[in-house]
Amino acid sequence: GAVVSQHPSRVICKSGTSVKIECRSLDFQATTMFWYRQFPKKSLMLMATSNEGSKATYEQGVEKDKFLINHASLTLSTLTVTSAHPEDSSFYICSASGLALNYEQYFGPGTRLTVT
Amino acid sequence: DAKTTQPNSMESNEEEPVHLPCNHSTISGTDYIHWYRQLPSQGPEYVIHGLTSNVNNRMASLAIAEDRKSSTLILHRATLRDAAVYYCILRDVTGGGSNYKLTFGKGTLLTVNP
Repeated sequence: GAVVSQHPSRVICKSGTSVKIECRSLDFQATTMFWYRQFPKKSLMLMATSNEGSKATYEQGVEKDKFLINHASLTLSTLTVTSAHPEDSSFYICSASGLALNYEQYFGPGTRLTVT
Repeated sequence: DAKTTQPNSMESNEEEPVHLPCNHSTISGTDYIHWYRQLPSQGPEYVIHGLTSNVNNRMASLAIAEDRKSSTLILHRATLRDAAVYYCILRDVTGGGSNYKLTFGKGTLLTVNP
């Protein structure tokens, strides 16, 4: 149990375009989902926390208008990188937690974004 | 979240036990000790967590010092698939919602030699 999927696993987009990343909890209801970013050889950095049906809470320094997060259901959250630039190229990872799992976080496999 | 200190890297040989240390001298009474690991190009994987007592599961054991200021993750027989970055994280689980967020440090890069 506790499987979290992400789609796509890899995406290449052109500078100035937007790209959407999906995060799904496959076998549990995720009341809270988290989005992280990880640059090469660095640790994960939390970008935002989203609770189902509520607006996301962004960490300091993360632009909420650039990284749009939607958590419309208990099994799906999306991260949209708007007007992407090469510096947005990174590994984006989501995690999900819920009451049934005692709020432990379970992570998706990550999405590699490359902006050209 | 309270900070943890881990060695940057450790090496082990296959089939031998591995003890990964973590110091958390400023831990509070409501902090749980969590361990995650991350294989290359993958998302982190939950390993184990505990509060005061030692814990065992199918992946590893967690030994917690009596004063809770340090802990050790024990892999009983390392395999090549255990090569990963291991993160020791304190998490305050009082309240709800964003209080459950995790703050990742640099972790320990474990290399397993065949």
